[in-house]
This record gives sequence, structure tokens and C-alpha cells, in this order.
Amino acid sequence: GAVVSQHPSRVICKSGTSVKIECRSLDFQATTMFWYRQFPKQSLMLMATSNEGSKATYEQGVEKDKFLINHASLTLSTLTVTSAHPEDSSFYICSADTGISNEKLFFGSGTQLSVL
Amino acid sequence: GENVEQHPSTLSVQEGDSAVIKCTYSDSASNYFPWYKQELGKGPQLIIDIRSNVGEKKDQRIAVTLNKTAKHFSLHITETQPEDSAVYFCAAGDSGTYKYIFGTGTRLKVLA
Repeated sequence: GAVVSQHPSRVICKSGTSVKIECRSLDFQATTMFWYRQFPKQSLMLMATSNEGSKATYEQGVEKDKFLINHASLTLSTLTVTSAHPEDSSFYICSADTGISNEKLFFGSGTQLSVL
Repeated sequence: GENVEQHPSTLSVQEGDSAVIKCTYSDSASNYFPWYKQELGKGPQLIIDIRSNVGEKKDQRIAVTLNKTAKHFSLHITETQPEDSAVYFCAAGDSGTYKYIFGTGTRLKVLA
């Protein structure tokens, strides 16, 4: 199946710094990618839809200036958590639209962000 | 808002037994219902999905049933194995927009 690579898998940073997470589609082009946030033992919450070559669409309640999304190519979307604070600590996951009718979305392996 | 309820939150079964996880959705416009398996520290992996024009779908030991009238869909795993232990999420949404609402997850533990 299609492969979505997400890096880093784990990051620890100091409060006030910014962290960039990359999501790459390795063997297909993804015009649309999605970013989710998952708290321990909870479900995935969609944060934003990332569209190649255009601005991301954010879900209600998600601060676009806090979570910067860039989708500059058909195989790469990045999520930057700016001026991170401990409450931003979470598991962040991306997914990509494969365009394959039988397999809609493939997910990255996730990034565990810990802000000290 | 729209939501997806998932039960049970935890499920323990003996190896070889069957496991059933149930979901209920609220948005009648939903037409696509995928199931994902998530292992610790990893992203979700699609294991099976069903569209609104089908009532049942099976893939080896895994099957999914859908009752559109009742807005229920269920995951059935037969002959469970220890490697089936993981968190399972159901989701409901529009196959055209890929915007899914996820259930709250079921932690399945298969006891050897």
C-alpha cells in the first residue's frame, strides 16, 4: 500500500521554541493532506486540511497562527507548532489522500511532541 | 455537532474467540465508514472499510456490517490472535472530502 512518512517520530523542546513536523507521501502524489492531534487514550481530532499550493483550511478552534501548515509540493506538507507551550504536548498525525478509490487515506506514524 | 460513538472502550478476549466493536454515527450524510488499527506510538492503519451502498464486507478474519437506517456499523474479528491487540477506531464521513469523524477507540487485548 501507499506509504506516508512522518518525521520526527518524537521531539522534546523547550517552551517558547518552534517545532516543525514533516509529512511525506513516498510513492504517490498527495494534493491533500490532513493533520490531526491525539491526546492519550483519545480519538483523532482533525486540525486542518492541507492543500498543495494553497492555504490550509483549519477546523474550528484551531489557531492558524499557532499551527502553521505549508504544503509546497505534492509530496510534502509541514506542520510548525510556533512558540510551543506545555499544553501543546500531544501526538500529531498526518494523513494523505492517495486518490485510490479503495484506500482513501494513509496515515503517517505520528510525532510525539513534548514541550517542557 | 456530528459525532461517532464507539463501544466498548476496552475489550479483552481469549485467543481464538471473536471480538465485536460497535459504532453509531449521527450524520445521515455519511457514506463511507473505515476502520483503523493503531498500535502504540504509531499512526492508524486502515484494515477494512465499507460504503453506504453495501451492508456487509468481509476480508479473511475481519468483517464489517452497516445498518444505515439505524446508523450503526460494527467490526467483527474472528479467530483472534495476540497480534490483533491494538486500539481500533471507527470513522464516518464523506468519501469525497476525506473529512472523517473518528470514534473514541476500543482497546482490544487478546489473551494468549
